[in-house]
Amino acid sequence: NAGVTQTPKFRILKIGQSMTLQCTQDMNHNYMYWYRQDPGMGLKLIYYSVGAGITDKGEVPNGYNVSRSTTEDFPLRLELAAPSQTSVYFCASSRTWGSSTDTQYFGPGTRLTVL
Amino acid sequence: GQQLNQSPQSMFIQEGEDVSMNCTSSSIFNTWLWYKQDPGEGPVLLIALYKAGELTSNGRLTAQFGITRKDSFLNISASIPSDVGIYFCAGPNTGNQFYFGTGTSLTVIP
Repeated sequence: NAGVTQTPKFRILKIGQSMTLQCTQDMNHNYMYWYRQDPGMGLKLIYYSVGAGITDKGEVPNGYNVSRSTTEDFPLRLELAAPSQTSVYFCASSRTWGSSTDTQYFGPGTRLTVL
Repeated sequence: GQQLNQSPQSMFIQEGEDVSMNCTSSSIFNTWLWYKQDPGEGPVLLIALYKAGELTSNGRLTAQFGITRKDSFLNISASIPSDVGIYFCAGPNTGNQFYFGTGTSLTVIP
């Protein structure tokens, strides 16, 4: 199993450009998450999904959109990039949510810079 | 919004020393998770706690779920250089929103 994979690993955007961060997991997990991590800070939840076709906002959703058309994929879209979106983005997945066996597995991250 | 505060913010210790760090919340949590993040990598789960008062070990790591359900502690015994990294507490609160703590950066001096 590859686990959770993310592409690209690095990206530089100009203000106002758009891009999609890709995330794929091969563990057949129902739950997937997108986090951002600013320098020296903890992770903040952007969006999450409890299954194909179902998504919900996390703590910091503004400026982002997600979709979940398949169990495996959970892309994150930035429509109008702003410098405040410069961050490292992590995708994660888990089999369950809030149960005694819940563990989130993280991808390697995408480092995004908006200039 | 919800904040999980971790202390200390950073630690510099000698190899072989024991380490203690804690995490506090303004609201009750159902589960406490402790993650370690190496530079340039995603967080990796170390220990999971599911019941108030629970004490769980994973090798040299021991973590406890506070009785009030608003705090948790992580101890590392006999630290080694590969313990270097940032340690995060995390978990879902009673509203099922998932939060990460502010992190404790650990440096181990050989």
